[in-house]
Amino acid sequence: DVKVTQSSRYLVKRTGEKVFLECVQDMDHENMFWYRQDPGLGLRLIYFSYDVKMKEKGDIPEGYSVSREKKERFSLILESASTNQTSMYLCASSLGTPGAYGYTFGSGTRLTVV
Amino acid sequence: EDKVVQSPLSLVVHEGDTVTLNCSYEVTNFRSLLWYKQEKKAPTFLFMLTSSGIEKKSGRLSSILDKKELFSILNITATQTGDSAIYLCAVGSGGGADGLTFGKGTHLIIQP
Repeated sequence: DVKVTQSSRYLVKRTGEKVFLECVQDMDHENMFWYRQDPGLGLRLIYFSYDVKMKEKGDIPEGYSVSREKKERFSLILESASTNQTSMYLCASSLGTPGAYGYTFGSGTRLTVV
Repeated sequence: EDKVVQSPLSLVVHEGDTVTLNCSYEVTNFRSLLWYKQEKKAPTFLFMLTSSGIEKKSGRLSSILDKKELFSILNITATQTGDSAIYLCAVGSGGGADGLTFGKGTHLIIQP
């Protein structure tokens, strides 16, 4: 069964900490995505990557960065966590163009910044 | 800017009822519309719709797309408590790696 694995289900961090959220897929997918999901706002795209070492900003990249050193791994980095980054973070991957293939999602990481 | 609007945002019904969830969209270069179900974990894929007027079915769930009026509906008949979830509508556009654009979701609660 194909899988997208997010390293942590729940995470509590302090304001100002550097936070790494990891996502690994075992499907040899080209494209990977990071979203955050908030009540009343839905899923919003933070960053995506279409190849190793390539990245593109999504709709809300401020306060975040990403890293994709290997095809299977896509990391989201919060350089200095703030309370407004408390959210559910979802990673997704796609074999090709998302409009043609859709996404496979990870189970999400619920991050609380205190 | 691509836009996806779902309605209602929340819905409470009794087991056995039929529900209809709505999704309208405004996108440039439409490619597909997708429905996902999200319980307490990863959203799971339900349907991908690309052609107008063709109904997709899976058990008690069905969905149809109207590309002229720019909307889709998701129907669930004979609802069960296990249908309680957030239902997400997303639209894919373009031919590159651009991400899907999601609506805010419909939170469906089925009461016994």
